[in-house]
Amino acid sequence: DADVTQTPRNRITKTGKRIMLECSQTKGHDRMYWYRQDPGLGLQLIYYSFDVKDINKGEISDGYSVSRQAQAKFSLSLESAIPNQTALYFCATSDPPGETQYFGPGTRLLVL
Amino acid sequence: RKEVEQDPGPFNVPEGATVAFNCTYSNSASQSFFWYRQDCRKEPKLLMSVYSSGNEDGRFTAQLNRASQYISLLIRDSKLSDSATYLCVVNMWGNFNKFYFGSGTKLNVKP
Repeated sequence: DADVTQTPRNRITKTGKRIMLECSQTKGHDRMYWYRQDPGLGLQLIYYSFDVKDINKGEISDGYSVSRQAQAKFSLSLESAIPNQTALYFCATSDPPGETQYFGPGTRLLVL
Repeated sequence: RKEVEQDPGPFNVPEGATVAFNCTYSNSASQSFFWYRQDCRKEPKLLMSVYSSGNEDGRFTAQLNRASQYISLLIRDSKLSDSATYLCVVNMWGNFNKFYFGSGTKLNVKP
């Protein structure tokens, strides 16, 4: 089984809808991250969490919110989706500082 | 200015060729360095960490030049299966354990 899983894998939604992307990990890592990837722009950090009580904004947090329900679960919400949020979204974990990141398989989101 | 910059390529090389990529980073406080590989529309996966003394893993060699603030990846005897996008990643520790990703260099290895 994969160490980092994301659901859904693909999602089509309409402008203005609220959607949630979920991430679960079995690696036992405290640190979790949400990124989005757009063609030619690389990965941009949306939010990151160092533990259940510590959540921080990344470079592009506007229009997004997160919830860290447990060490193993980190959810990303789009409160009111807009077309320029169409992207590939990755969840990742790492532990401890300086160590590598492990990515989930990604969620492809299309906002119409 | 971007934290991490890479030549997007593509680098088109024949099988068996040697190819090298560079990546520059802007923050001298960067402390950890990595190369990730990403296949089309899939998740990035760690290829190798980059150590100050340089390191080698099979056909892959990574180097770090702190004075000039760049890292490099050398691939020898390229295989068709090496075709992918290679992401340069730097990490700064401390209160903000943030990873900065380059936009990637695309490699196409041709038969």
